[in-house]
Amino acid sequence: GESVGLHLPTLSVQEGDNSIINCAYSNSASDYFIWYKQESEKGPQFIIDIRSNMDKRQGQRVTVLLNKTVKHLSLQIAATQPGDSAVYFCAEIVSGNTGKLIFGQGTTLQVKP
Amino acid sequence: NAGVTQTPKFQVLKTGQSMTLQCAQDMNHEYMSWYRQDPGMGLRLIHYSVGAGITDQGEVPNGYNVSRSTTEDFPLRLLSAAPSQTSVYFCATRRRGGYTFGSGTRLTVV
Repeated sequence: GESVGLHLPTLSVQEGDNSIINCAYSNSASDYFIWYKQESEKGPQFIIDIRSNMDKRQGQRVTVLLNKTVKHLSLQIAATQPGDSAVYFCAEIVSGNTGKLIFGQGTTLQVKP
Repeated sequence: NAGVTQTPKFQVLKTGQSMTLQCAQDMNHEYMSWYRQDPGMGLRLIHYSVGAGITDQGEVPNGYNVSRSTTEDFPLRLLSAAPSQTSVYFCATRRRGGYTFGSGTRLTVV
């Protein structure tokens, strides 16, 4: 079935270090991937997305890498700040599936000052 | 633009009671959806709609009904609440791949 999973439930980093959050997906038909950030008591907030015809996309302090061979997605956050502390979800949209967004379980990022 | 507005923000129900979670959007997005989020889990799709008059089931539809009579509104109905429906509910709209989420409704069924 469709599933998107994350390797680690919690990631703790020092302020200023780079963070890497990983995600594995199982559906080869997925053609669009999104990373969301969710802070306490709030809804998911879009961070960055990538289409399956790309292997890397950069935003402001964030980079998403896609490896379709091993069905792996990662989010890199440069110079992690206390405000980056949140739960991060990867999500996929399966091609031809009316655009349904399937979420993984989430990784909690803790930034130590 | 208010974006996606969910009401109420908090609700406590007794087992067997019914209620409707409201979702309204002012972005003229055709696609709307409802998710639930349980502790330690990602968001799971309950129902979705690709336009007014069209709805379909997601991953966990049992115990929930939806309707879409207008583009702006997509209410989620619990006909007979159960403790297993205690969760945080998010409404989301979509246009050209981008999803916009509401701030959620925290529902407790006792």
